[in-house]
Amino acid sequence: RKEVEQDPGPFNVPEGATVAFNCTYSNSASQSFFWYRQDCRKEPKLLMSVYSSGNEDGRFTAQLNRASQYISLLIRDSKLSDSATYLCVVPFSGGYNKLIFGAGTRLAVHP
Amino acid sequence: NAGVTQTPKFRVLKTGQSMTLLCAQDMNHEYMYWYRQDPGMGLRLIHYSVGEGTTAKGEVPDGYNVSRLKKQNFLLGLESAAPSQTSVYFCASRSELAGGPTDTQYFGPGTRLTVL
Repeated sequence: RKEVEQDPGPFNVPEGATVAFNCTYSNSASQSFFWYRQDCRKEPKLLMSVYSSGNEDGRFTAQLNRASQYISLLIRDSKLSDSATYLCVVPFSGGYNKLIFGAGTRLAVHP
Repeated sequence: NAGVTQTPKFRVLKTGQSMTLLCAQDMNHEYMYWYRQDPGMGLRLIHYSVGEGTTAKGEVPDGYNVSRLKKQNFLLGLESAAPSQTSVYFCASRSELAGGPTDTQYFGPGTRLTVL
C-alpha cells in the first residue's frame, strides 16, 4: 500500500457545486496532515492543516478519520478559481522534518 | 522579500552532462528541501538539510548531491545527467520554529529539467 493515496480525478464540476476528495494514508502514527494546492505548472502552496478531527476555513472543510486512516477535503460553492490539483500530505513517520506527498487530485470547475 | 527562488527556471541537458540547481531563501529558515515531481507521482524528496553545513538523504537521492554552505542557499547537483532525471525540481524551506500542526513548507517556482 502506498503511504499516501489519492484518486487522481479529474473531478469536473459546475460552478456552485460541492465536491469532496478523499485521501488514505498508511502510517497510523501520523498526527497531523495537510492539504496543499498546486496550480498548473506552479509550485504547491499550503491550503489547510488538519489535526484532531478536522478544520474549516470558509468554503473549505478538511476532516480526519483516524480509524479508517483517511482525510477528506470538502469544497462548497465551487469557484472557477478553485480549479487546481489538491495534494494530500502526511508527515514522514510521524515527524515534521519530512513530508510525504500524494500524487494529487485534479479539480476542474466549469461555468 | 522574495521568499524561495530557484535558478535556472528551465534547462536542457545531454546525457552525461553536469549541472547545479540553486535554491535561495530570504526567510532565515533552518530547513531546506529538494523534491522532484513527475507526472502521476507525488513530490518525492531527494535530499534535505536541517541547518547550515548539514545534509541528509531523502527518498530518491541516487544520482544527486547537495550542499548547504550558507544558511540561505541549498544547491542540488547532477554529476552525470540521465534521461530518468528529466523532471520538475522544487526547492522548499520551513522555519525551525514550525514543526507542529500548522507547519508550512514554502516552495520555490520550480526548475524544469529535460535530459536528452
